[in-house]
Formats: sequence, C-alpha cells, structure tokens
Amino acid sequence: AQTVTQSQPEMSVQEAETVTLSCTYDTSENNYYLFWYKQPPSRQMILVIRQEAYKQQNATENRFSVNFQKAAKSFSLKISDSQLGDTAMYFCAFMKGGDAGNMLTFGGGTRLMVKP
Amino acid sequence: EAGVAQSPRYKIIEKRQSVAFWCNPISGHATLYWYQQILGQGPKLLIQFQNNGVVDDSQLPKDRFSAERLKGVDSTLKIQPAKLEDSAVYLCASSHPSDFGQYFGPGTRLTVT
Repeated sequence: AQTVTQSQPEMSVQEAETVTLSCTYDTSENNYYLFWYKQPPSRQMILVIRQEAYKQQNATENRFSVNFQKAAKSFSLKISDSQLGDTAMYFCAFMKGGDAGNMLTFGGGTRLMVKP
Repeated sequence: EAGVAQSPRYKIIEKRQSVAFWCNPISGHATLYWYQQILGQGPKLLIQFQNNGVVDDSQLPKDRFSAERLKGVDSTLKIQPAKLEDSAVYLCASSHPSDFGQYFGPGTRLTVT
C-alpha cells in the first residue's frame, strides 16, 4: 500500500514571495504518477500540476513547479510570486502507473495562507 | 468543456435516514470515482467505476453504502441508514483513458445530526 505524508499542516507567505510545500511518499512501485491538487474554501479540487515518475525533468506550470527527488521519495511544490488567490488547502497525491484509471492516494493536506 | 457536476451541494439529515448523491462526469470520461473527505483530512476512495462496471469498492462500507453507474455515465451514491460519522464532503471525480489526471466536481457536504 502507498502512503503520502505532508508534514506541514499550515503555512503562510507574503504576497509576491515564494513558498515551498513538502510531500513525501512511500511505495514499492517503480511506475507511478504524482500530483498536487488545490482546494480553495469553495472546496472544488483543482489539479495544479502532475509528474510522471519516469521523467527526470521537473514539471512546471506557470508559477507552480515541483522538485521531484525519486530516490528520496520526495515531491515538493514551489509557488512563485504568491497571489491572494493561492490561499487554499494543497494536497499531494500518488497514483500507481500502468492504468490511467487507478485511484489517488492523498496526503493530509497543507493549509496555505497568502497574506497581503 | 463542462466539468464534473454534482448535486446537491449541501444536505442535512438525521441519523438513520437515507440520502443519495448524484454525479455527472465530464463527457467521454470512462472512469468515475467517489471519494469521502472528512473535515481536516485528504479524500479517501470509496468506489471506482470503469464505464458501468465496478473496479474497486474495497473501501466502501457495503452494509450502508451503495453506488451505481447505469449506462456508464451518471452515477448515484446512496447511504442508508446514515450514521453521525458519515458527515463529510463526498467528491466525485472522472478521468479519461488517455489522461492520468482526475477532475473533481464541487462536492456534496453531508451533515448527519
């Protein structure tokens, strides 16, 4: 079974600054995918960024980037130029590879507050 | 492209009553998931459908929860009878065979009193 751990229950950052959210996971799989989801107070879960484990290059989506360390089983999310709209719960999630229809295993979440 | 639709958005019931939630996935998405998210925790999978067949329901409390996906499109999740610990947000998600991302609906917040 896979486990996903987010060790930072809450974080805060000043608007326009950079913040990094941590995530570690445990798995015996070699083929898998990792995701970061954002859940604002409206609770709609939004896919922020994804990473295929077989790719060495870290994924980037505009102001969001990841630092994927496969050997260390670490998958952190960096948010650059933080905006007030980034305030939300952020969840790290793991999915086994081999089938696009596999379930997601989520971490416990990190609550991020962006301060003006 | 329309997103995943869910209804109702909120539901308050008393324990031992029954309740049903509805989900309409993104058009063309063969896989549909129901997750339960208890306050302060990450979502946990309850059941997964591939078209109209069940792929994984190992975490579904089958003595009180049931789900169906007739015709491989819409899905309904039912709880009967509800318990206090069922208070949670119920999230529906869908995915396409060519895309490893899952796309979520707005969720239904259930309060059992």
